[in-house]
Amino acid sequence: EPEVTQTPSHQVTQMGQEVILRCVPISNHLYFYWYRQILGQKVEFLVSFYNNEISEKSEIFDDQFSVERPDGSNFTLKIRSTKLEDSAMYFCASTEEAGSGYTFGSGTRLTVV
Amino acid sequence: AQKITQTQPGMFVQEKEAVTLDCTYDTSDPSYGLFWYKQPSSGEMIFLIYQGSYDQQNATEGRYSLNFQKARKSANLVISASQLGDSAMYFCAMRKRSNTGKLIFGQGTTLQVKP
Repeated sequence: EPEVTQTPSHQVTQMGQEVILRCVPISNHLYFYWYRQILGQKVEFLVSFYNNEISEKSEIFDDQFSVERPDGSNFTLKIRSTKLEDSAMYFCASTEEAGSGYTFGSGTRLTVV
Repeated sequence: AQKITQTQPGMFVQEKEAVTLDCTYDTSDPSYGLFWYKQPSSGEMIFLIYQGSYDQQNATEGRYSLNFQKARKSANLVISASQLGDSAMYFCAMRKRSNTGKLIFGQGTTLQVKP
């Protein structure tokens, strides 16, 4: 069964450093998402991406965050200057159509120290 | 505004018994979808079951069924014949049918299955 692949599975970074979280969505999917889950809390929507542009973003997704689909297969989330409160599990998801058949990656656990 | 509420932070169930995890939602949209996901301790999000707002029948997937009561705006997950491997966090989520299709999640319920 097709999978959404996320790398790395764990990342530890120092406060103020830039991090890039990588995702390879399912190849025929057109809609891509990033979600965040702070430890022990609910999953929160960050951003959706379609047709090479952001289609919606939450208030969490401020100027420190950016997304890119650089080569037609990878979908990346960049945090420019990490803060302690960015420590969380980050999930990538993709769907073929908006709102159907979401497939989540296994997540990247980001720890900012 | 759309909202998902899971009022049970934690639940216990005896192995082989059935358990119901509660979920209520709030939306003014006539078209929406409701999802349940399982998150084991390893952290991944596993899709369990989906219910569309226009579906006439309650969704079922193996041991999982969704008790959809549209007038009450509830979408409770029923797990029959609980197994030890069912111990996990369970999230209810709602999708608004829009050009983005983002999901809004509830706070989650931790289920512990006792042997």
